[in-house]
Amino acid sequence: AQKVTQAQTEISVVEKEDVTLDCVYETRDTTYYLFWYKQPPSGELVFLIRRNSFDEQNEISGRYSWNFQKSTSSFNFTITASQVVDSAVYFCALSDRWGGGADGLTFGKGTHLIIQP
Amino acid sequence: GAVVSQHPSRVICKSGTSVKIECRSLDFQATTMFWYRQFPKQSLMLMATSNEGSKATYEQGVEKDKFLINHASLTLSTLTVTSAHPEDSSFYICSARPRQYQETQYFGPGTRLLVL
Repeated sequence: AQKVTQAQTEISVVEKEDVTLDCVYETRDTTYYLFWYKQPPSGELVFLIRRNSFDEQNEISGRYSWNFQKSTSSFNFTITASQVVDSAVYFCALSDRWGGGADGLTFGKGTHLIIQP
Repeated sequence: GAVVSQHPSRVICKSGTSVKIECRSLDFQATTMFWYRQFPKQSLMLMATSNEGSKATYEQGVEKDKFLINHASLTLSTLTVTSAHPEDSSFYICSARPRQYQETQYFGPGTRLLVL
């Protein structure tokens, strides 16, 4: 069975600070995908990134960066120079079935990020 | 591209009535669609997997007779909450997996259901 743990329930920082959201996952499969989604108050999920288990390269997209460490089963997300618009709930998710299997995502409990002006 | 819509976006109903929620993939064909439920301040939980032309697969603890799923075409899946009760009030989100890109899911905007 798969599991995603986001230990940080809520994080509050002042604007322009850097912040890292932690994600630890469990799966028995060797092929899997990891995701990060942002959920603003409107409720709609905003896709941020998908990473497959064979690609351990870290990724940077503007102020966002992701650190994937298979050795520790972690997929952490860092926002650099945070802005008030980054305030939202962020979910880490796992899909551990390749293609044809009908497998939904397993979500972590989410981290509520509050950026104070 | 890759847009998923849900209708209605918000619904209020009386206890005991049934509510149908539609999930449509607007610009791609989806052989598989997923239904999630999110209670306030909680995570998304997978309810069921809907495959076009076949019966849905329900997660443990989800009553299939209460949450009827129909996936009649490659662009439409419906979730019907039968005899809704206040405890069914939640945010229901669907996602659709494109036929061509099996590792990707596109999420709809969600439907807020309030049962009085």
